[in-house]
Amino acid sequence: GENVEQHPSTLSVQEGDSAVIKCTYSDSASNYFPWYKQELGKRPQLIIDIRSNVGEKKDQRIAVTLNKTAKHFSLHITETQPEDSAVYFCAASRDNAGNMLTFGGGTRLMVKP
Amino acid sequence: GVTQSPTHLIKTRGQQVTLRCSSQSGHNTVSWYQQALGQGPQFIFQYYREEENGRGNFPPRFSGLQFPNDSSELNVNALELDDSALYLCASALGKGGPDTQYFGPGTRLTVL
Repeated sequence: GENVEQHPSTLSVQEGDSAVIKCTYSDSASNYFPWYKQELGKRPQLIIDIRSNVGEKKDQRIAVTLNKTAKHFSLHITETQPEDSAVYFCAASRDNAGNMLTFGGGTRLMVKP
Repeated sequence: GVTQSPTHLIKTRGQQVTLRCSSQSGHNTVSWYQQALGQGPQFIFQYYREEENGRGNFPPRFSGLQFPNDSSELNVNALELDDSALYLCASALGKGGPDTQYFGPGTRLTVL
């Protein structure tokens, strides 16, 4: 089955700096890659997703890049703010519906004011 | 949105538990995930229009039901200590095509 590795497990940045989180996946048939943000004690919330027919997607301060050949994708957050502090999870799925997701282990992002 | 009940639950080893989820209105697919402390969610199973549509690496003592009224259940028999986790349900509109999965707030299960 699919295996998703996520790095780093913790990331500390200064407010205003950029943060980059990287994920690799094993199943070349995976074609849907969402990113979730989970604040302490709360539900995972989708922040951005990308499908295999594009290499990059951007939404304000957040961008995701996908390299299908290398089987890795990355989350980029620019101009980080303290409210960006949370655990971020990448995930992969073979199904465009985003169901049956395989998650990475998570990255705890801390943005220091 | 997606709702779950109860919020917290404490059980003892060997007992049985039923967790409930109410999907977003009109969503046909519900998935259940187990999230152990400090880890990413792990897929348990998925239901589409009341039939199981996929299952992760979980034993048969994890079972589920989906009802026509947008509600679903996760049942766990013979609870073990390792079953202590946050259980999340997520609903989606359909089985295929571009879609987004919406998570509920979760049920925190503690097995003593």
